[in-house]
Amino acid sequence: QKEVEQDPGPLSVPEGAIVSLNCTYSNSAFQYFMWYRQYSRKGPELLMYTYSSGNKEDGRFTAQVDKSSKYISLFIRDSQPSDSATYLCASTVGGYQKVTFGTGTKLQVIP
Amino acid sequence: GAVVSQHPSRVICKSGTSVKIECRSLDFQATTMFWYRQFPKQSLMLMATSNEGSKATYEQGVEKDKFLINHASLTLSTLTVTSAHPEDSSFYICSARMGVLAGGVETQYFGPGTRLLVL
Repeated sequence: QKEVEQDPGPLSVPEGAIVSLNCTYSNSAFQYFMWYRQYSRKGPELLMYTYSSGNKEDGRFTAQVDKSSKYISLFIRDSQPSDSATYLCASTVGGYQKVTFGTGTKLQVIP
Repeated sequence: GAVVSQHPSRVICKSGTSVKIECRSLDFQATTMFWYRQFPKQSLMLMATSNEGSKATYEQGVEKDKFLINHASLTLSTLTVTSAHPEDSSFYICSARMGVLAGGVETQYFGPGTRLLVL
């Protein structure tokens, strides 16, 4: 079983839609949960991160973690064509410990 | 934000040859860099952790004699794929450690990746 599971998609939505991206994880020791965005032929860039359970909002983006169900979510409101990218969830115990990535979900926002 | 570059961005080579990929931190010093491999529709897999001035730490299952890592300066780490074979064809991405954010999570800045195709 992979430590972080993510549906690879692709996911196509119309512009303006609310997007929900999800991951599950198996390692109970994970404390930090990140979302990276990766444009085609580029390296990933950190989008958001959260510690333990709860929500975190940044503009149109909301990250949500439910440690009881080991479920990680990223919501994108009012999606834009520029949001089209692959979104990778990642988890770590914290500090300088190894970061484990999901496979990434490819998102396409259609104008 | 911090910039990490990789060179080359794409390389095609014949089976049996060696390929060197460079990873540079352009506006900061990185004592620790990471090398990842990403196959299509698969997650980023950490290959090794590269520390300036010391030997790299390889993940389980990664052949250190095949994937040679040299981190000779605070701004440059190199990955050499020796005697490359078609199964080594992949997207190789490096990242540089920036530190731990106030919230406790490590920050890595990723390079744009190098696509290797071994014929």
